[in-house]
Amino acid sequence: GNSVTQMEGPVTLSEEAFLTINCTYTATGYPSLFWYVQYPGEGLQLLLKATKADDKGSNKGFEATYRKETTSFHLEKGSVQVSDSAVYFCALIGTDSSYKLIFGSGTRLLVRP
Amino acid sequence: GAGVSQTPSNKVTEKGKYVELRCDPISGHTALYWYRQSLGQGPEFLIYFQGTGAADDSGLPNDRFFAVRPEGSVSTLKIQRTERGDSAVYLCASSSQGANVLTFGAGSRLTVL
Repeated sequence: GNSVTQMEGPVTLSEEAFLTINCTYTATGYPSLFWYVQYPGEGLQLLLKATKADDKGSNKGFEATYRKETTSFHLEKGSVQVSDSAVYFCALIGTDSSYKLIFGSGTRLLVRP
Repeated sequence: GAGVSQTPSNKVTEKGKYVELRCDPISGHTALYWYRQSLGQGPEFLIYFQGTGAADDSGLPNDRFFAVRPEGSVSTLKIQRTERGDSAVYLCASSSQGANVLTFGAGSRLTVL
């Protein structure tokens, strides 16, 4: 079945450091891939998405590239801010469903001033 | 409304009691979803409504769980004979027809003592 694996947290960085959160997936065909973010006390928000191989999703300085050959969708940001502290979830919608999001277990990011 | 609204935000109940959780989706969104998020885990799919009907309830864990959406807008998730293992955050999301980008509510945290 479809699944998502992401690196365990917490990830602790200093402000302006480079961020990578690894995400790999298992799915047949070409799923759609997503990163959602959950800020403290708030609902999940879509951060970015990519729907086909080699697509790059980007938003708020975050980027992720859909790599079919490595079945990965790693999240990166060149310079993190304290306000980026949150839990980040990698997710997919498989080709067998047009709506069912399959989430990873989440990675907590803590950015220190 | 402007976003997806969920009530109550917190519910504490005793084992064996009945609980209802309400979701008010974004106006005009025909698709509505319930997910469950246990501590330290990513959200897991429970049920999907398209309009008034449950198009996919394959994620409901057992027959103690039931959800309705009688007028195609507000939805209620009903849990009978609650167990301690039901403790989790229950998330509701909605989307416009055919879209695979979900807008999530802040969730209802259920604690079963």
